[in-house]
Order: sequence, then structure tokens, then C-alpha cells
Amino acid sequence: QSALTQPASVSGSPGQSITISCTGTSSDVGGFNSVSWYQQHPGKAPKLMIYDVTKRPSGVSNHFSGSKSGNTASLTISGLQAEDEADYYCNSYTSSSTLVFGGGTKLTVL
Amino acid sequence: EVQLVESGGVFIQPGGSLRLSCAASGFTFTNYGMTWVRQAPGKGLEWVSAISGSGVTTYYADSVKGRFTISRDNSKNTLYLQMNSLGAEDTAVYFCARGLATSPFSSSDYWGQGTLVAVSS
Repeated sequence: QSALTQPASVSGSPGQSITISCTGTSSDVGGFNSVSWYQQHPGKAPKLMIYDVTKRPSGVSNHFSGSKSGNTASLTISGLQAEDEADYYCNSYTSSSTLVFGGGTKLTVL
Repeated sequence: EVQLVESGGVFIQPGGSLRLSCAASGFTFTNYGMTWVRQAPGKGLEWVSAISGSGVTTYYADSVKGRFTISRDNSKNTLYLQMNSLGAEDTAVYFCARGLATSPFSSSDYWGQGTLVAVSS
């Protein structure tokens, strides 16, 4: 159950777009359309932003979007806002009937 | 309003046992899979365990298999995590979370505030 690979940090200016990658294997990200993305502000519980690779829960802004190509999933945030500054985690179902998280990415809005 | 409230976190010595509870309200508990996720201080999220809505199927991370047991009492709308043979590596904030559906692997749309388990001598 190795953690999925995410960049430790990304940054962008307000109004810009950024993309966070999440790389796994054919046994997790590449093998299933079960990738989720969570946002976590300091001291808070995680919040679901994307599920099933591309779906947004009710109430989540449409400037968050998800995609997948092969063994790599991506979260794109367009039109960055100050309140988007947070840690982001990807998560995938695995062929071992478990879930696995990525190591997390700290997003800084400059 | 959906609410999840964890309890049971304490300071405990290595080798000890502990049971966490997660009281759920605001939804039909039996219709949703539930998950425990933990976060060590300053670290990332780690999936721990999941259970189906009926409670029949359960799943565990390798790091806790054989030591932790997830269960639920659908008559009490409560999720549990029995934790045995605790070690320093189990020190973390433990979150319970509700899945989008009855499957134990559905994405988690509601989370509790977390309860801290600190294992130290």
C-alpha cells in the first residue's frame, strides 16, 4: 500500500490556474475510476472536492475540476482565490480492496 | 444536518487498547458506508479502515490489520474503532467519515472533527 505520489508544494497567483498531479499504478489510479480529491485547511477536517475522477459534490465551486490519464490523476484549480490556499490530497481505491492517499500537496496562493 | 462526532481519544501507554466512537446524526445511518482516516501530527492523511452500511464487510490498511477492528451499531447510529496493541506509530488524530453510498469505498462527503490518540510512555 504505497502512498500515491503528489508534489509537495505548488503555488500560483490569484486568477491563475494550477494543476496538482497524483501518480499511482495500474493497481490503483490507473485501474479504477475511483479517484477523489480532498481539501484540508489547517486544523480542519478534510473536505471532498472531486470524486470518481471528475465529479463535483454539490456546493463545490466549478473552478475545481478533475481528470485522469493512465496512472496519473490531476486536480485543476482555475481562477485561483486566496481561500483555495490549503493542503490537497488525492485518494484512490486499490486492487487490494483498500484505499490509499497521496502524500499531500501544499497550495500557496501568492 | 449531517453530524459526526468522534470521542474516546486519550493519552495511552504503548501496548494499550482503546475504543473510539463516532456518533452520527442527520441521516439514515445504515444507508452509508463509513471510514476511519488518521493523521499523525504534521503529516498527511492515512486511510485506516472502512465498513459497509450493513456492517457485514470490513476492510483494513496493512498497518492496522490484526490490531484494529471496525464495527457499527446501526440501532445506535454509532461507528466504532477498537484499537489494540497500540504503538507510537498510531499517534494521530482519528477522523470518522461518511461515504457517498453504502459501499465502504465510496468517497467521504462528511467528516467529524477528529479525536486525538497519543501513544507514549
